[in-house]
Amino acid sequence: GNSVTQMEGPVTLSEEAFLTINCTYTATGYPSLFWYVQYPGEGLQLLLKATKADDKGSNKGFEATYRKETTSFHLEKGSVQVSDSAVYFCALRGGSSNTGKLIFGQGTTLQVKP
Amino acid sequence: SQTIHQWPATLVQPVGSPLSLECTVEGTSNPNLYWYRQAAGRGLQLLFYSVGIGQISSEVPQNLSASRPQDRQFILSSKKLLLSDSGFYLCAWRMRVLGTGELFFGEGSRLTVL
Repeated sequence: GNSVTQMEGPVTLSEEAFLTINCTYTATGYPSLFWYVQYPGEGLQLLLKATKADDKGSNKGFEATYRKETTSFHLEKGSVQVSDSAVYFCALRGGSSNTGKLIFGQGTTLQVKP
Repeated sequence: SQTIHQWPATLVQPVGSPLSLECTVEGTSNPNLYWYRQAAGRGLQLLFYSVGIGQISSEVPQNLSASRPQDRQFILSSKKLLLSDSGFYLCAWRMRVLGTGELFFGEGSRLTVL
């Protein structure tokens, strides 16, 4: 079945450091891929998405490229801020899914120190 | 614009007591609706989803049930809570026909069972 694997956290960085959070997936067909962010005590917000191979999703300085050859969707940011501290979830929706449900990774906690 | 609301935001219940969490979506029609649970330090687990009034699909066997009495209302229930039911419950919706597949999440309901 479909699954998502994220790097374990927490990831601790200093402000202005480069961020990479790895995400790999297993899926049949052509899934859509998503990154969500969860700030403390809140629900999830969509950060970015990509719906086909080689698409790059971007938002708020974050980027992720849909790599079908490596089944990956790694999240990157060139210079993190303290306000980026949150839990980040990678997710996929199966290409043949007519229910729309998303499969999530375990989440990666990012802590950015000033 | 579309909005989603969950309540209550926080709930502390004794073991064996009943549960009712409610979710309402506004500004759209015929949404797909979802209940996810996030246990402490873990990822998101899909509990139930619904593609229409009275149509409920369960993803995992458990102590919980869901109902959809109206098009934009989704309720999560239990007759007798267990300690293991503690967690952060998230309701989500997506457009059934249009859109690129992302889910939109509510603010979450934190349940503590003592």
